[in-house]
Amino acid sequence: AQTVTQSQPEMSVQEAETVTLSCTYDTSESDYYLFWYKQPPSRQMILVIRQEAYKQQNATENRFSVNFQKAAKSFSLKISDSQLGDAAMYFCAYRAVQGNNDMRFGAGTRLTVKP
Amino acid sequence: KAGVTQTPRYLIKTRGQQVTLSCSPISGHRSVSWYQQTPGQGLQFLFEYFSETQRNKGNFPGRFSGRQFSNSRSEMNVSTLELGDSALYLCASSLSGIAYGDTEAFFGQGTRLTVV
Repeated sequence: AQTVTQSQPEMSVQEAETVTLSCTYDTSESDYYLFWYKQPPSRQMILVIRQEAYKQQNATENRFSVNFQKAAKSFSLKISDSQLGDAAMYFCAYRAVQGNNDMRFGAGTRLTVKP
Repeated sequence: KAGVTQTPRYLIKTRGQQVTLSCSPISGHRSVSWYQQTPGQGLQFLFEYFSETQRNKGNFPGRFSGRQFSNSRSEMNVSTLELGDSALYLCASSLSGIAYGDTEAFFGQGTRLTVV
């Protein structure tokens, strides 16, 4: 079974600094997608970044980038130049390309940004 | 383009009652998935509907059911409510589902269900 583990329940970062959120996953599939979603207090899950497992190049979206290590099954999120609006719960998620369409989520990391 | 709309936003029900939650996907999206979010269990997949058919199902009891209409709007029903059903219920829509080429799902703001 596919599982996603986020070992950091809470993280904090100073505004304008860089923070890295960790995520590991377990799967026997070779083709899958990985995501980081952000859930602010408004509760709406917002896609931050996605990575296709077949791509070796790490995905980047403005201040957000990932370090995807397929062999180690690791998928960390780096937020550069942190802003107050980045404060939220961050969920790492996995989705296989074949088979069931459900998305498996980690337990989440609550990120606090200090001014 | 309107996002995913879930109604109602908040709901309070009594144990033993039943409840129906609604989700209107983004226009043109045909896949709708439902998730339950609780502090203890995190986000768990309930089921996915595509073209009015349940395509995937998570590990939830039969008290949890759903359906999808021809306009892709989906409803989720929970019968004989239990205290443990208190949760945030999220729905997500995508064009045809990630296994079929889509990569991301778009989430609604959720329905907060409290069972007393």
